Amino acid sequence: NAGVTQTPKFRILKIGQSMTLQCTQDMNHNYMYWYRQDPGMGLKLIYYSVGAGITDKGEVPNGYNVSRSTTEDFPLRLELAAPSQTSVYFCASSLREGATNEKLFFGSGTQLSVL
Amino acid sequence: QKEVEQDPGPLSVPEGAIVSLNCTYSNSAFQYFMWYRQYSRKGPELLMYTYSSGNKEDGRFTAQVDKSSKYISLFIRDSQPSDSATYLCAMKDGGSQGNLIFGKGTKLSVKP
Repeated sequence: NAGVTQTPKFRILKIGQSMTLQCTQDMNHNYMYWYRQDPGMGLKLIYYSVGAGITDKGEVPNGYNVSRSTTEDFPLRLELAAPSQTSVYFCASSLREGATNEKLFFGSGTQLSVL
Repeated sequence: QKEVEQDPGPLSVPEGAIVSLNCTYSNSAFQYFMWYRQYSRKGPELLMYTYSSGNKEDGRFTAQVDKSSKYISLFIRDSQPSDSATYLCAMKDGGSQGNLIFGKGTKLSVKP
């Protein structure tokens, strides 16, 4: 069982370049999330999705876009990369049904550097 | 005041020690409380979860929630070098719409 798979694992971008971080899950989870993790700053929610075709902003959405065309995939798009987007990005998914405990399953992360 | 406060450490203990990790929070609506463990260069993984107040034990790990003090703890007994990781607390309210709020994480090192 693969769980949550992220690609690529590492990437270096130049300022102004664009890229898409890929995320796929095989657990048939309805919720999917993108977080960024900066040293000593914990996890910050960028965007999330409650199901195919539905996305919403998290705490730090500026400079990012997402789409959710299928249950399995939730790509994160950086349009004009800036040094402030240097971070480790984590995709996560969960099966949420109403008011319930949230058990997130995380991918292994993408280390992104913008130079 | 931030919603969730967690001392980032680092915390270094000898093998076999009892470790206490803590978080405080300000939102009295939080009902679900979790601890995630994150090894270096890996994604976080769920370690413990509790609902409302009380204790929960799983092997060497005990999670404790004191809602009256808005304080949660994770205790690790007989700590092992393999417990060396960053531990993140996380919590959410009882509604169906809220998302998890994470602490900054505490980096733990258990020395052989």
